[in-house]
Amino acid sequence: EVQLVESGGGLVQPGGSLRLSCTASGFTFSSYEMNWVRQAPGKGLEWVSYISAPGTAVFYADSVKGRFTISRDNANNSLYLQMNSLRAEDTAVYYCARELDLSAFDYWGQGTLVTVSS
Amino acid sequence: SYVLTQPPSVSEAPGKTARITCGGNDIGSKSVQWYQQKPGQAPVLVIYYDTDRPSGIPERFSGSNSGNTATLTISRVEAGDEADYYCQVWDSSSDHRVFGGGTKLTVL
Repeated sequence: EVQLVESGGGLVQPGGSLRLSCTASGFTFSSYEMNWVRQAPGKGLEWVSYISAPGTAVFYADSVKGRFTISRDNANNSLYLQMNSLRAEDTAVYYCARELDLSAFDYWGQGTLVTVSS
Repeated sequence: SYVLTQPPSVSEAPGKTARITCGGNDIGSKSVQWYQQKPGQAPVLVIYYDTDRPSGIPERFSGSNSGNTATLTISRVEAGDEADYYCQVWDSSSDHRVFGGGTKLTVL
């Protein structure tokens, strides 16, 4: 059974940093592209970042470029999102999602809540 | 950047057919996905590559895509279909993944 489990969310002050993790199981993690998607309270889904299967290609939404860094450890079946210079507008539930070809997100984690507030 | 436009809400009576649209410039040339999200839950893929259904998704869910509009059709709507629905594509010009704003389906 495919499982994605996020962790690392919490309360952080504006300007602070946080590192999210996503632990994968039930499939060959190193063969799949992965993404982070977020959802602000009461709002819609927003794509945040993509990483290729070997980790050699990454892309970011304009809203987080230069502040967030996506990475992965295929040996440990883990995906990460390093978030720096956090702003109130980064407050959201952050989901990791597995990607099929042509960007179909077929499996999602349960999400981890990040709250940026003083 | 590529923009996907969805109606904020759609309502339909049980047993009828609900259609949710997703507009985008020449979206017919792209592969469209649809996700269902119920309150407090993660999104679930219900249609991918315009028309394909993942295993476990009822045949009542179908998709189409042509020109500037993609459509998610839910036949014989049930109370359990009440949810938010999002369309999504890959914008090849930027390598960004793009979501529509979402449509809340209300079953009357």
